[in-house]
Parts: sequence; C-alpha cells; structure tokens
Amino acid sequence: GQQVMQIPQYQHVQEGEDFTTYCNSSTTLSNIQWYKQRPGGHPVFLIQLVKSGEVKKQKRLTFQFGEAKKNSSLHITATQTTDVGTYFCAGPRNSGYALNFGKGTSLLVTP
Amino acid sequence: NAGVTQTPKFQVLKTGQSMTLQCAQDMNHEYMSWYRQDPGMGLRLIHYSVGAGITDQGEVPNGYNVSRSTTEDFPLRLLSAAPSQTSVYFCASSYDGSNTEAFFGQGTRLTVV
Repeated sequence: GQQVMQIPQYQHVQEGEDFTTYCNSSTTLSNIQWYKQRPGGHPVFLIQLVKSGEVKKQKRLTFQFGEAKKNSSLHITATQTTDVGTYFCAGPRNSGYALNFGKGTSLLVTP
Repeated sequence: NAGVTQTPKFQVLKTGQSMTLQCAQDMNHEYMSWYRQDPGMGLRLIHYSVGAGITDQGEVPNGYNVSRSTTEDFPLRLLSAAPSQTSVYFCASSYDGSNTEAFFGQGTRLTVV
C-alpha cells in the first residue's frame, strides 16, 4: 500500500548545528505537508509543497519537494532549542480525503 | 475560534469498558479524521469522514466505531477497550481533505489497564 517513509528516526544535535530530515513516498504525491509536534503537544502545520522541484523557506527552515514529487526534505539551519520536537511529513492517501504520515523525526537540541 | 476541541484530555479504562472520545470543530470543515499515535509508529489513521453521514475506515479501524451526525462533531467509540488501544488519540479537521492543512486537537491520552 501507499507508504511515506521518513529518516532519520532520531537526531541529536548541538545548538547551532544544522538538521535535515528526509521523506520518501512509494507513489507520486499531489502535495506534501510538514508538521511539527512539540513534546506533549499536538501536530501543527508548517507548510505545504505542491509543485515539482518546489523550494520554500520559513526563516531558518527550508523545505524541498523532489522533481518526481516522491520525496521531500526539511532542513533547519543553525538549530535552536526552540526547534526541539518531532517533525512529520504527510502525503495524501489514495482516497485523497486524509493524510498518510511518516513516522517522524525526533529532534533533540542541546545547548 | 476554538478550532478543534477534544475531550477528555486523559482517560484510564479497564479492559472491556467502553467509552467515547469527543471531537468538535468550529471551522465548518467537512473533512475530519481520527489518528492514534504510538511511540515510533507516527500517526496512524483510524477513521475519517468527508461530511455529515459519511465515514470510512483508515489504516487501523479495528476496535473503533465512528459516526458523523453533524458537521461539527466526530466522536470515536471504543466498544470494548483492550490494552492494545493504549495510545494518544488525535482528531483533525481540514477544509479540503488532504489538499489543505489539517488542524489537530490537543489529543486524548488513553490508558487501558
């Protein structure tokens, strides 16, 4: 069935280091979304990518959507302790009515 | 606006008990979903709805029932709780299914003993 794979599962960085998480789908996606979940919190929408090869930036966060629309990445430049949390990518299910989430990458940032 | 409201926030059940997790949204969204989150498993879709009176199964529907009598409410029922249903449950809503951002409730942490 349709799967969204995400790596790495965990990442521990020193504050100021960069961080990247990767997302791969077994099928072509019409769009991909990224969410952040703080410890003890709920997922919060970050961004949606729609176009092949699209790159979007939000301050220190850079999101990319692959040319084949089957992979995506989130890169954080110069991490801060406020970046701690789990980052999920999500793509549409075959039905198009709900999302398939990757298992997430948990980011720990130590000062 | 309150967004997506889930109740209760915490619940402990004994094996075999039943309960309903409540979810309500005030954004007039047609699309609503229930996910469960377990360590290392990400968010797995239980059931979803595309409008009042219409529901469908997701990835892990066994042991759960849903109904959608109004646009605002999408309750999740556990008819006979099992320890395997210990999890954090999230309700989400969106304007246009998977084409627009999903808004999540605060979650319900359920423990079945």
